[in-house]
Amino acid sequence: GAVVSQHPSWVICKSGTSVKIECRSLDFQATTMFWYRQFPKQSLMLMATSNEGSKATYEQGVEKDKFLINHASLTLSTLTVTSAHPEDSSFYICSAKSRDSPYEQYFGPGTRLTVT
Amino acid sequence: GENVEQHPSTLSVQEGDSAVIKCTYSDSASNYFPWYKQELGKRPQLIIDIRSNVGEKKDQRIAVTLNKTAKHFSLHITETQPEDSAVYFCAAKTPGGYNKLIFGAGTRLAVHP
Repeated sequence: GAVVSQHPSWVICKSGTSVKIECRSLDFQATTMFWYRQFPKQSLMLMATSNEGSKATYEQGVEKDKFLINHASLTLSTLTVTSAHPEDSSFYICSAKSRDSPYEQYFGPGTRLTVT
Repeated sequence: GENVEQHPSTLSVQEGDSAVIKCTYSDSASNYFPWYKQELGKRPQLIIDIRSNVGEKKDQRIAVTLNKTAKHFSLHITETQPEDSAVYFCAAKTPGGYNKLIFGAGTRLAVHP
């Protein structure tokens, strides 16, 4: 149980275009979803937290107009990287928390974004 | 906000030896401390966790200890095996609000046969 999927697993896009990444909880209802970014050989940096049906809360330094997050249902959150640039190339990982688990987060497999 | 420091950044051991990774946190109200193992290009895998009302927890070759007074927690791996080689991250959960996890910088563990 507690499986989280992400799509796509990798994507290459041209500079200036937008990319959408989906995060789905497959067998539980995710009251809260988190989006992380991980650069090579670095730690996971929390970008934003989203609750179903409400606006995302962004961490300091993360541009909300560039990284659009939508938590449309209890099983789906999307991250759209708008006007992507090469410096946005990174590993994007989502995680989800169920209402039944006040502590544990379940991580998706990640999406490797390369902007050329 | 919460800050988590992790040491060492790299750790090299011989197969069969023990490995210890240490983390400190800044927010005394943090109440949940998970440890993750991450292999290259993969998702973080929860390997053990501890809540603030417990001082120690063990699962086979892996143990975690928590010292709330000193705001330290440590991961202990005994009888290391080459497949233990990976990057290990500690994290601390801030209470209330959205239960955010703040991660340490990571420790690259290499276990040599």
